[in-house]
Amino acid sequence: DTGVSQDPRHKITKRGQNVTFRCDPISEHNRLYWYRQTLGQGPEFLTYFQNEAQLEKSRLLSDRFSAERPKGSFSTLEIQRTEQGDSAMYLCASSFAGTGAYEQYFGPGTRLTVT
Amino acid sequence: AQRVTQPEKLLSVFKGAPVELKCNYSYSGSPELFWYVQYSRQRLQLLLRHISRESIKGFTADLNKGETSFHLKKPFAQEEDSAMYYCALSGQGGSEKLVFGKGTKLTVNP
Repeated sequence: DTGVSQDPRHKITKRGQNVTFRCDPISEHNRLYWYRQTLGQGPEFLTYFQNEAQLEKSRLLSDRFSAERPKGSFSTLEIQRTEQGDSAMYLCASSFAGTGAYEQYFGPGTRLTVT
Repeated sequence: AQRVTQPEKLLSVFKGAPVELKCNYSYSGSPELFWYVQYSRQRLQLLLRHISRESIKGFTADLNKGETSFHLKKPFAQEEDSAMYYCALSGQGGSEKLVFGKGTKLTVNP
């Protein structure tokens, strides 16, 4: 297992188009998180899954954003009708949650540019 | 409201000098505090967390609940320490989502 992977690494799209990103977590991890990072900012939480259940969504996640984690394995993040303000690095992280604070392992990110 | 403040956007020191990256937080309750690091062209990775009380790569951080601070320190900086450093917190239990500061870019000059 080489860690959390994300695909694609870069995506350039025109405003109004839909895009979908994929995240493959570390195989034994039951939690999966999505964050967004814009220039000069730290990552901001978007949503997280425990197994296949989406348990929390940030108010940053407008109705144009949807995330899924079918079968509790990989996850997809879709952005519909992209806007220039959606340009950012989208980070995925996974962890194994039992008791206590477990380390989140981050993927390399998908950089989205909306033109 | 949960908030992490890193007052220094940029920090530059010479090799061998002490370094301190500041982090203050706001949280109603008892958060878990972390330092994450991102080296050039690498992914974000955990450097240390307060509950483990470890020293990683010579770095230490002490949680000061009275001052709501979690400053990162190293007595003798090395060139390979040059990176982006993010302080983060999470609540105990629940989602354990991370709230990050804006980060401090550390440059260690030869």
